[in-house]
Amino acid sequence: DAGVIQSPRHEVTEMGQEVTLRCKPISGHNSLFWYRQTMMRGLELLIYFNNNVPIDDSGMPEDRFSAKMPNASFSTLKIQPSEPRDSAVYFCASSQGSAGNTIYFGEGSWLTVV
Amino acid sequence: AQKVTQAQTEISVVEKEDVTLDCVYETRDTTYYLFWYKQPPSGELVFLIRRNSFDEQNEISGRYSWNFQKSTSSFNFTITASQVVDSAVYFCALRIRGDSSYKLIFGSGTRLLVRP
Repeated sequence: DAGVIQSPRHEVTEMGQEVTLRCKPISGHNSLFWYRQTMMRGLELLIYFNNNVPIDDSGMPEDRFSAKMPNASFSTLKIQPSEPRDSAVYFCASSQGSAGNTIYFGEGSWLTVV
Repeated sequence: AQKVTQAQTEISVVEKEDVTLDCVYETRDTTYYLFWYKQPPSGELVFLIRRNSFDEQNEISGRYSWNFQKSTSSFNFTITASQVVDSAVYFCALRIRGDSSYKLIFGSGTRLLVRP
């Protein structure tokens, strides 16, 4: 079975440019998460969707960040305009709805903003 | 507040040694779930185990074993006869049933280096 699929795997962009990260969750999973990993802050939740609806976006750092989930099989995380401090690994993850279920992660999107 | 502490930042062992990675968690919830993930040098996060708060039975899977003790709020991970391929960062994580976001709260990770 396919796991969580993310694209691009690596992105290098210039400051001020728009960045769009994409995610396809595991089929049948109704919860989707975007996490960010940095050396300073470790793994932190940015936003959580349940049944395509954003439930908790308290981790989204600022208005430059936005996330959408137009359907059950696709989500995007957009940064506009990007800044060097946004450089990080962005993970998409999915699970079935209840807290007792495992969250499965994609391979991550490694973003470098220069 | 919920919190996961992995006090060991980095551990270095020689191949075939046994190694234990410590995890201490904090929560006031009575229903919660504990996880271990492995992050190899390639960067992905790989699920290893899930344990719920009502199941204190220890688990063994091949060279891996986990010791869950509610009395000390710990969920430690032991690798027996370590191998070079075990070199990775290992994360312990907590998930609360009462948290509407169902998010995983991660520890800071323990970097394990297994030397040949």
